[in-house]
Amino acid sequence: AQRVTQPEKLLSVFKGAPVELKCNYSYSGSPELFWYVQYSRQRLQLLLRHISRESIKGFTADLNKGETSFHLKKPFAQEEDSAMYYCGTGNQFYFGTGTSLTVIP
Amino acid sequence: SAVISQKPSRDICQRGTSLTIQCQVDSQVTMMFWYRQQPGQSLTLIATANQGSEATYESGFVIDKFPISRPNLTFSTLTVSNMSPEDSSIYLCSVVGTSGLRWETQYFGPGTRLLVL
Repeated sequence: AQRVTQPEKLLSVFKGAPVELKCNYSYSGSPELFWYVQYSRQRLQLLLRHISRESIKGFTADLNKGETSFHLKKPFAQEEDSAMYYCGTGNQFYFGTGTSLTVIP
Repeated sequence: SAVISQKPSRDICQRGTSLTIQCQVDSQVTMMFWYRQQPGQSLTLIATANQGSEATYESGFVIDKFPISRPNLTFSTLTVSNMSPEDSSIYLCSVVGTSGLRWETQYFGPGTRLLVL
């Protein structure tokens, strides 16, 4: 079965600092990986997916098959990035335990 | 995209009672899911609601405790039975399959916040 692991439950960075939210997966086939975000009092929503190789709100995530990782990165964190982030799989619709990001002004 | 509504939005229930949560989607979808979200914590898949057949439950979740119905392609219910305080959580409905693409987005409902006393 496919699983994703987010090792950090809480992450705090200062505004303007780089941020990286870690996600590791275990899957023997071709993984379908996504990052979802939940801002305060809002619904979970898609941030980005690995197949699109896109940058959304300054965030990028690269699939590293060698390290089985799909870390989410942003070079300069903003206060509005404070939210709960979930790494998820499209194969079996599982999510990691989530990382709560706080950007300190 | 898909717009999902859930009822009730929140409830406070007594131990031993049951609560049925409704999920309504504004378009026909292929797959519907129920998740449990501990506030600030993990998002756990309870089951996949299958239209016209029994739901597919994940490890640790059973039909007797979480009976699920899906009578059509736009509606599903989740019942939390014989509740205990440990069932206090946010329950989320989610869907995919609005366009049939492989790399589809999952859409989530607003959640039902349940407190069991």
